Amino acid sequence: GNSVTQMEGPVTLSEEAFLTINCTYTATGYPSLFWYVQYPGEGLQLLLKATKADDKGSNKGFEATYRKETTSFHLEKGSVQVSDSAVYFCAHITGTASKLTFGTGTRLQVTL
Amino acid sequence: GAGVSQSPSNKVTEKGKDVELRCDPISGHTALYWYRQSLGQGLEFLIYFQGNSAPDKSGLPSDRFSAERTGGSVSTLTIQRTQQEDSAVYLCASSIERGGQTQYFGPGTRLLVL
Repeated sequence: GNSVTQMEGPVTLSEEAFLTINCTYTATGYPSLFWYVQYPGEGLQLLLKATKADDKGSNKGFEATYRKETTSFHLEKGSVQVSDSAVYFCAHITGTASKLTFGTGTRLQVTL
Repeated sequence: GAGVSQSPSNKVTEKGKDVELRCDPISGHTALYWYRQSLGQGLEFLIYFQGNSAPDKSGLPSDRFSAERTGGSVSTLTIQRTQQEDSAVYLCASSIERGGQTQYFGPGTRLLVL
């Protein structure tokens, strides 16, 4: 079946540290992959996406590369800021399906 | 233009009552989705509308849940005879079309069933 697995949180980092949040997926066919972010008290926002193998999505200093061979879409940022504190959700959607399948979310806390 | 809007933003109800949640999608978006975000279950798909096609109701947790979309725009999610386990944030999203297109989410309706 279709599923998304992402690393358990919370992740606590100091400002300017390097961030990796792991995400792997199972899917039939070739899914589109997404990272959504939920800042405290706000709704879900699209952070970045990739629609085919080897594509790299990027936004606000965050990057993720669609790795078909490892079925992964790990989120990275070279230098996190306090304002990046949020919950990050990895998700996918397949061409024949209508719904996003989400991971459980990873809470990131960045401290000074 | 405006994003996805939802109302009410918060709803408190008593167990056994019916509730209606409203979603206004982005103008021009033909696909509309409902999801539920709860502590125990994470983010779950509920139902999907695409144009005039029959909706995909595969995520609705019970027959107490129903949704309709009038005129291809506004959607209403109805929960009958609410239970405490229905307490969650109900999220609506819309996209230009089905499949791999980006879904844009509304702020959600936080439902609390006492």
